[in-house]
Amino acid sequence: NAGVTQTPKFQVLKTGQSMTLQCAQDMNHEYMSWYRQDPGMGLRLIHYSVGAGITDQGEVPNGYNVSRSTTEDFPLRLLSAAPSQTSVYFCASSYSSRGIGYTFGSGTRLTVV
Amino acid sequence: TQLLEQSPQFLSIQEGENLTVYCNSSSVFSSLQWYRQEPGEGPVLLVTVVTGGEVKKLKRLTFQFGDARKDSSLHITAAQPGDTGLYLCAGHSMKTSYDKVIFGPGTSLSVIP
Repeated sequence: NAGVTQTPKFQVLKTGQSMTLQCAQDMNHEYMSWYRQDPGMGLRLIHYSVGAGITDQGEVPNGYNVSRSTTEDFPLRLLSAAPSQTSVYFCASSYSSRGIGYTFGSGTRLTVV
Repeated sequence: TQLLEQSPQFLSIQEGENLTVYCNSSSVFSSLQWYRQEPGEGPVLLVTVVTGGEVKKLKRLTFQFGDARKDSSLHITAAQPGDTGLYLCAGHSMKTSYDKVIFGPGTSLSVIP
């Protein structure tokens, strides 16, 4: 099993550009989330989904959009990139919402210049 | 605002030494997870604890959930260089949406051969 696959691994954007970070899982997990990780701040939840067609905002949703058309895929869209969005982004999935632990992807390191 | 604090922030020890890292909050959690993250990779789940006072062992790692379910500790016996990494705790709160997990900022462990 591949687990959770994120692409790209690295990306540099100019301020104002848009892009989509891809996330796919092959474990038939219903629950998927996007986090950003910044030094000294831990992992902060951006958006999450409890199943296909259902998404909700996390702690830091501004500037990001998500959709969940299939169980497998959960892309994260940056609408108009800003330097404050420079971070490492992780996608995570779980078969249960009851805090049993997540499987994480290997991350996308995004730099906005 | 719910917070998870971890201590120490950084720890550098010699191979063979024992160590304990801590995860504390003023909030009660229904479950708590520990992850290890290596540079350039996503966090990997080590353990989930759900019952107050619960102790779980994973080879040389011992995890304990506080009786009041507000804190946890991770003890490593005879640390090895392969234990080097960022240790994250994450709490699933009983007061937030069931999909939201709070992460601590992490303890960065370096084991010197």
